[in-house]
Amino acid sequence: GAGVSQSPSNKVTEKGKDVELRCDPISGHTALYWYRQSLGQGLEFLIYFQGNSAPDKSGLPSDRFSAERTGGSVSTLTIQRTQQEDSAVYLCASSKAGGWSSSLYNEQFFGPGTRLTVL
Amino acid sequence: ELKVEQNPLFLSMQEGKNYTIYCNYSTTSDRLYWYRQDPGKSLESLFVLLSNGAVKQEGRLMASLDTKARLSTLHITAAVHDLSATYFCAVDMTNTGNQFYFGTGTSLTVIP
Repeated sequence: GAGVSQSPSNKVTEKGKDVELRCDPISGHTALYWYRQSLGQGLEFLIYFQGNSAPDKSGLPSDRFSAERTGGSVSTLTIQRTQQEDSAVYLCASSKAGGWSSSLYNEQFFGPGTRLTVL
Repeated sequence: ELKVEQNPLFLSMQEGKNYTIYCNYSTTSDRLYWYRQDPGKSLESLFVLLSNGAVKQEGRLMASLDTKARLSTLHITAAVHDLSATYFCAVDMTNTGNQFYFGTGTSLTVIP
C-alpha cells in the first residue's frame, strides 16, 4: 500500500502494563510525527522525527512515553506503566521533509490510528 | 504559546445552504492546512495554503488565507450530506523549529 500504516488498530491493556504502537510511514518520507487525539478533541503533538533523530520531543506528556525510529522508516511509540488517561487514538503522520525546506513537502499524510484503551 | 481557534466548534446546517468555518491563529505563519476527519477515521488532507491571499477550491469547499489577519476560512457552498465530518485547520510553524498546531476542530452535520 502507498499510505501510512499503523498497528495494532486497537489495543486494550490493563493499567500499569507497557504498550508499543507501530507506524510505517510512506516510503521515501523522511519526516514522521506522532499525535494523540482524545475522544472528541483536537490533535495533541507528541514527537517529530527527521530521519532517525527526534529534534522535537516537546510534546511527550511524561517520561513514561518514548519513541524511536530505525532505518529512517518504521517508528515505535512506547508507553510504559500505562494509565487510564493515556486512553486515546494515537495517530502517526509522515511528510516528504520536515522543517521549512520546502512548503509542499510539509504536507502530512496520516495513518488510520491506533485506538488505545487502558482499563 | 501559539493558539489556533476554530469557530464554530459545532455546526448543523441544512442541505443547500452556505456557511463559513473560521480558523484564527495567534502568531505569524504563511502556511496553513485544512484536514477532514470522518467519524472513526483518520485525517485526510483537503487544502494546502502557502501564502497570503491564497485561495483553493475543490468541489463545494473553498479555503482562503489572510496572513495579515492571521485568519483562514473554509467556505461551504450548497452543502450536501456527504460533507458531514470534522474539519481541522493546522498552522505550520516549522520555520520556528516547531511543528504543526492543530485547531480544535469544527464538527459539521449537514441535515438532508
